[in-house]
Amino acid sequence: GQQLNQSPQSMFIQEGEDVSMNCTSSSIFNTWLWYKQDPGEGPVLLIALYKAGELTSNGRLTAQFGITRKDSFLNISASIPSDVGIYFCAGQNNNAGNMLTFGGGTRLMVKP
Amino acid sequence: EAQVTQNPRYLITVTGKKLTVTCSQNMNHEYMSWYRQDPGLGLRQIYYSMNVEVTDKGDVPEGYKVSRKEKRNFPLILESPSPNQTSLYFCASSPIGLAGVNEQFFGPGTRLTVL
Repeated sequence: GQQLNQSPQSMFIQEGEDVSMNCTSSSIFNTWLWYKQDPGEGPVLLIALYKAGELTSNGRLTAQFGITRKDSFLNISASIPSDVGIYFCAGQNNNAGNMLTFGGGTRLMVKP
Repeated sequence: EAQVTQNPRYLITVTGKKLTVTCSQNMNHEYMSWYRQDPGLGLRQIYYSMNVEVTDKGDVPEGYKVSRKEKRNFPLILESPSPNQTSLYFCASSPIGLAGVNEQFFGPGTRLTVL
């Protein structure tokens, strides 16, 4: 299947710092999604992007759908301890049965 | 409360003993899907269903079966589990909008160990 490369794999930052993570693909996607997974829980959708070049914010989170449709990034500003978790990008290609392909995840740790 | 439920949440079993993990959603979603999550590999799709009686293979379907007899339920069946199926399993559902399937809602997960 398609592969999504998500980086970094993990980050350990100080509270208040900004965070940036990204995903790249060898294939084009029609939709990019960003999820957060807390320990012992299922992933929860943070931001959905539907158009190349789209920049969308959700509180302290900002995500962009790359112009080439092969990449996306997620920024978190002024991190707080509850931002801890694993963040996943996911791409969807409507021509492939609407399947979601997930990146490997970025584990974020925030030091108070 | 709108939700996706899975049962059991934890299961330890032995090789070859058939098992079923149930998934149910109360949001009237057309689309349902099963994923497995393994360290460093993210979530990989096992099977998905676009509607009742319509199921398709995902990226890693080998060793699994599913059925979709009712809109709300999408059980995952392991006819003869093997140790390499030890994993964390998630069920998800989504409405099918104009942009296709998106914004999937995930269940809490089922941690399966096959000895």
